[in-house]
Amino acid sequence: NAGVMQNPRHLVRRRGQEARLRCSPMKGHSHVYWYRQLPEEGLKFMVYLQKENIIDESGMPKERFSAEFPKEGPSILRIQQVVRGDSAAYFCASSPPRTRAMETQYFGPGTRLLVL
Amino acid sequence: GEDVEQSLFLSVREGDSSVINCTYTDSSSTYLYWYKQEPGAGLQLLTYIFSNMDMKQDQRLTVLLNKKDKHLSLRIADTQTGDSAIYFCAEKGGDKIIFGKGTRLHILP
Repeated sequence: NAGVMQNPRHLVRRRGQEARLRCSPMKGHSHVYWYRQLPEEGLKFMVYLQKENIIDESGMPKERFSAEFPKEGPSILRIQQVVRGDSAAYFCASSPPRTRAMETQYFGPGTRLLVL
Repeated sequence: GEDVEQSLFLSVREGDSSVINCTYTDSSSTYLYWYKQEPGAGLQLLTYIFSNMDMKQDQRLTVLLNKKDKHLSLRIADTQTGDSAIYFCAEKGGDKIIFGKGTRLHILP
């Protein structure tokens, strides 16, 4: 059973370009979460999505950032007109549909974005 | 507000026990977690504890929860070089997980 998959693992962009980060949740998981880890920091929540719905985007910057989780295919985190401050590791996590079992999120390996 | 605090560094001799401490603020948290992150890697869930428990043991790992003081600790017995990593304390806050900044565990020979 494959874990959460993210690609690319490393992404280099110049200022002003767009970055697209992909996340495929674990099989059977319908909830996806995106987190950002700045250098020497912990992870900060960005957005929580279910298929075709954004449930909580309270951690998303108001501009340039968007996320989607379409009916088919991976979840995408899109950053338009990247700036140096966007350089970070972006982690995706997934969890199964709501149950009374342990509620935890399984993390992918992350995409390390470097903006030159 | 929600906040998780932990010390940034810990050095321990190989074979000794490591104790990493954490405090959190959200008394309504249902789950508390310890994650491990090795250099350049993602997060590995080490263990978790439900808020109505005060202790959980899993092989070399012991988690202690003091809900009154909102204090969580992770003890690693017989610390090995492979335990060198950053350890994140985290709490479940609604739908999201709130992380501390991580404790970097350094193993001395």
